[in-house]
Amino acid sequence: RKEVEQDPGPFNVPEGATVAFNCTYSNSASQSFFWYRQDCRKEPKLLMSVYSSGNEDGRFTAQLNRASQYISLLIRDSKLSDSATYLCVVTSHNAGNMLTFGGGTRLMVKP
Amino acid sequence: DTGVSQNPRHKITKRGQNVTFRCDPISEHNRLYWYRQTLGQGPEFLTYFQNEAQLEKSRLLSDRFSAERPKGSFSTLEIQRTEQGDSAMYLCASSFAGTVGTEAFFGQGTRLTVV
Repeated sequence: RKEVEQDPGPFNVPEGATVAFNCTYSNSASQSFFWYRQDCRKEPKLLMSVYSSGNEDGRFTAQLNRASQYISLLIRDSKLSDSATYLCVVTSHNAGNMLTFGGGTRLMVKP
Repeated sequence: DTGVSQNPRHKITKRGQNVTFRCDPISEHNRLYWYRQTLGQGPEFLTYFQNEAQLEKSRLLSDRFSAERPKGSFSTLEIQRTEQGDSAMYLCASSFAGTVGTEAFFGQGTRLTVV
C-alpha cells in the first residue's frame, strides 16, 4: 500500500462545476499536509497548506480529517485554467520530515 | 530570480555515461530535497539534506546515485553508469525547517534522457 494515495482520475468537468478530490495517508504520525498543483511537464507548485481547522483560499477549500487520515480539496466554479494535476503531499516527523507525494489527480475542465 | 534553480534543464546521455545535475536552493532555506518523477507518476523521494548533512536516502537511491551538499548551499546529484530506466525528470526542492510550516519550493527540474 502506498503511503499517500490519490484517485488518478482524470476528472472531466465543465466550466463552473464544483469538484472535490480526496487523498488518504497511512502514517498516523503525519503532521503537515499540502496540496500542490503541477502543470504538464512543469514543476509542482504549492497550492495551499492544509490546516487542522480547514482553510479556504478563494475558490479552493482544503480539509483535514485526522481520525480517518484523509485530506480533501474542493474547487468551486472551475475555470479552464484549473486543468492540471493536483498532488497531495504529507510530511511526517517519524519519516525524516521528507515530503511524501501521492500519485496525483488529473483534472480536465472543459468549456 | 530568487527561486530554486536547476541546471541543466535537459540532458541527453548515452547509456553507461555519468551525469551530474546541480541545484541552487532559495538562499535562506536549510533543507534541500531531490525527487525523481516519471510520466504519470507523482514525485518519488530520493534524498534530502539539512544544511550539509544528508539525513535521509531512499531505497530507490542505488549505489550508482550520489548526492552532495558540501557547504550547505548548492547540491549536486550524480548518476554513474546511467541506464535507460534512469530517464526521468529530476526535481530539486528547498524549504526552511522552522516552527512555521515546511512548505517546499521546487526548481524547474532536469529532464534526463538516456539513449
